[in-house]
Amino acid sequence: DAKTTQPPSMDCAEGRAANLPCNHSTISGNEYVYWYRQIHSQGPQYIIHGLKNNETNEMASLIITEDRKSSTLILPHATLRDTAVYYCIVRGRGSQGNLIFGKGTKLSVKP
Amino acid sequence: DAGVTQSPTHLIKTRGQQVTLRCSPKSGHDTVSWYQQALGQGPQFIFQYYEEEERQRGNFPDRFSGHQFPNYSSELNVNALLLGDSALYLCASSGWTATATDTQYFGPGTRLTVL
Repeated sequence: DAKTTQPPSMDCAEGRAANLPCNHSTISGNEYVYWYRQIHSQGPQYIIHGLKNNETNEMASLIITEDRKSSTLILPHATLRDTAVYYCIVRGRGSQGNLIFGKGTKLSVKP
Repeated sequence: DAGVTQSPTHLIKTRGQQVTLRCSPKSGHDTVSWYQQALGQGPQFIFQYYEEEERQRGNFPDRFSGHQFPNYSSELNVNALLLGDSALYLCASSGWTATATDTQYFGPGTRLTVL
């Protein structure tokens, strides 16, 4: 079973920031938080991952709480092309680290 | 730099047949994982190959088998197809590089329909 809990759906206005929450209260000290998204019928796209510190790349920012029990993915200026299912995944490294997907959050960006 | 590629894009088979799906990993990656995604569900892990051996396996029957070649490409074979095997089959590659950890990158998938 997935170790994460996400809201099933969210809406966001185009041009505004999209903040997608994820709970992972049973995360272990050596487990990372990964985010992927999947646009309809395509392969999942890697977005970002982190261990403890906040992370930012060209796609998004990842904010992890100090106790690491939850995180937020931030898309700073959502566009219609960001409409997708977003998956938050907790995984270890190496051979123990295959991805266990939950149901994700369906983000709908509206004009 | 080519990403993960999969072939074919779509495939239609009938019950009882056998199918082979193919995956070429991203350049520099040596590990290939396979996932099955039924309609409306998240992907489920089938197995992972590294150094031409199955390293880890999910909860799938022996009808699902695989192979990894010396060039790191991989095949997924499914025997005695069932209607329930209809799904999007995803390949993901990973590997240690100078700038990244073992993040898995996915291909576009192969849509298998079993009639």
